[in-house]
Amino acid sequence: DGGITQSPKYLFRKEGQNVTLSCEQNLNHDAMYWYRQDPGQGLRLIYYSQIVNDFQKGDIAEGYSVSREKKESFPLTVTSAQKNPTAFYLCASSPNGVKSTEAFFGQGTRLTVV
Amino acid sequence: AQSVTQLGSHVSVSEGALVLLRCNYSSSVPPYLFWYVQYPNQGLQLLLKYTSAATLVKGINGFEAEFKKSETSFHLTKPSAHMSDAAEYFCAVSVKTGYALNFGKGTSLLVTP
Repeated sequence: DGGITQSPKYLFRKEGQNVTLSCEQNLNHDAMYWYRQDPGQGLRLIYYSQIVNDFQKGDIAEGYSVSREKKESFPLTVTSAQKNPTAFYLCASSPNGVKSTEAFFGQGTRLTVV
Repeated sequence: AQSVTQLGSHVSVSEGALVLLRCNYSSSVPPYLFWYVQYPNQGLQLLLKYTSAATLVKGINGFEAEFKKSETSFHLTKPSAHMSDAAEYFCAVSVKTGYALNFGKGTSLLVTP
């Protein structure tokens, strides 16, 4: 079945360590996104990519990095520079067509810093 | 910048009662508007979307929303709440194809027996 796969579902990290969250899609979508979700704050955009080998910072990019080497994959690295990384992270994708602009979401990764 | 405001972070209704979740948008150009639902520890699922074809949009699970340009609103309704409707609901806006959606802060719907 087509969809977006995020792994792992739960992730624990020690302070000072970098960690990479995986996001893979087989929907043949051009655009991919990373959001961070905190209670009462909705979803905030971290990074997005509209095409392979290109990506743009979102509203809260500090302390995060991404790559887009393949159309199917958009991994997110949470670096030690991110001061408060404990959160629920959601990956999404969308086609770049004219009429179909909704985003499709993965099941999320819950990151906890211990 | 395009944005949405959801009025009420928590809404409680009785089973069988009308559900009304409010969303107002801010956009200088005709927007695309969306409602998503999220169950605990899961991703977001699209309920419905407005893309200018019709002002009254019907979605999944009996939900619908009406786009009112004069009020800059896109409120979500359901005539009769079911226990399974208890979840977090997000309104979102996008004004350009392929650009990221801007989300409201969400409304948590509680359905009581």
